[in-house]
Amino acid sequence: DVKVTQSSRYLVKRTGEKVFLECVQDMDHENMFWYRQDPGLGLRLIYFSYDVKMKEKGDIPEGYSVSREKKERFSLILESASTNQTSMYLCASTHTGTGFRETQYFGPGTRLLVL
Amino acid sequence: QQQVKQSPQSLIVQKGGIPIINCAYENTAFDYFPWYQQFPGKGPALLIAIRPDVSEKKEGRFTISFNKSAKQFSLHIMDSQPGDSATYFCAASMKNYGQNFVFGPGTRLSVLP
Repeated sequence: DVKVTQSSRYLVKRTGEKVFLECVQDMDHENMFWYRQDPGLGLRLIYFSYDVKMKEKGDIPEGYSVSREKKERFSLILESASTNQTSMYLCASTHTGTGFRETQYFGPGTRLLVL
Repeated sequence: QQQVKQSPQSLIVQKGGIPIINCAYENTAFDYFPWYQQFPGKGPALLIAIRPDVSEKKEGRFTISFNKSAKQFSLHIMDSQPGDSATYFCAASMKNYGQNFVFGPGTRLSVLP
């Protein structure tokens, strides 16, 4: 079974703190994604990476950065957390296959509260 | 237009009912339409997917209906069960979008016993 794990299920931080969210997948997937999930807005793509050290901005990258030093690990960084970054953060990974489209496999999510 | 619209936002049905969730898109370049199911405390997981060369796809109690001319697709859950209570997301992707998906805002389904 594909497994995508996220470092924390729940996190409480203060405004201005630097926050690291980590995601690890065990299926040797090339592509990894960070989304945030908010009620009524669905899943919005923050950043994605299609290879080690590669990153691409998604739809809402402002206030976030990412790091992918190893294939299995993709980190989301909030340089200076703000209250509007309180949200559920979901990591996903997928293979770059020869098939039509590949399934995205999601982690369980990290619920972040910024006070 | 990269948006996927989804309705209703929430849905309550009795056990055995047939909830229907609708999605619509604008970009005719989309060529793959998956549905993801998310239980509380879990990440979304692929439920069923369709390509626009077919009008319907069934997997067990779940059916996707696809109307290419109207740019709409919908999920039907036959003989719904309380265990189907979850949030459902439709999504779309296109050939030149890599492995990225555009997700709808989600529908929270409650199936009452």
